[in-house]
Amino acid sequence: DQQVKQNSPSLSVQEGRISILNCDYTNSMFDYFLWYKKYPAEGPTFLISISSIKDKNEDGRFTVFLNKSAKHLSLHIVPSQPGDSAVYFCAASETSTDSWGKFQFGAGTQVVVTP
Amino acid sequence: DVKVTQSSRYLVKRTGEKVFLECVQDMDHENMFWYRQDPGLGLRLIYFSYDVKMKEKGDIPEGYSVSREKKERFSLILESASTNQTSMYLCASRRQARLGQETQYFGPGTRLLVL
Repeated sequence: DQQVKQNSPSLSVQEGRISILNCDYTNSMFDYFLWYKKYPAEGPTFLISISSIKDKNEDGRFTVFLNKSAKHLSLHIVPSQPGDSAVYFCAASETSTDSWGKFQFGAGTQVVVTP
Repeated sequence: DVKVTQSSRYLVKRTGEKVFLECVQDMDHENMFWYRQDPGLGLRLIYFSYDVKMKEKGDIPEGYSVSREKKERFSLILESASTNQTSMYLCASRRQARLGQETQYFGPGTRLLVL
């Protein structure tokens, strides 16, 4: 049973507009969350992370929001650029020693930024 | 920059063959991981190793084994390949931090086709 869910398999957005990607999780022990970006024929690359002690983290055009009570996080990309077209994976981990910080990944959301 | 390399980008094997997938990282990372990526399922953890000669089962270890004889190298072994092991295989490494809040760095992936 998937503990991290990305319910939108795809998202199309116009260049310059905002992209909003959503992610839900079921395990309340998760306390560290990340977004990865993946281009075809390449491995995922780290984009941005957030710890459960925060509710927002910003890095340039990318902002991640965490709503712990709803077990929901989102990634905002503003403004969207053609180079942002990729698959985005949400990942979560429980950083206790017993779990070794293993990541659980969502199924991914394919983002297409159109001119 | 962290570099994670995988021995092959594409592999075609026959059912019943023994298959070795090799992964090497150059950043002296303690932790290494093997995932498979399938459409609609995201990345699923097969095995991970938190240090040399250590290994732990992930979420889908059946049909796979691993070897970590040296810190920089983590091998995934398919003892008898089956068609349902056709997939993209991704290796990752990570520094072992006290709270486990470290990102993973991925290799480019090996696309395996089992006929």
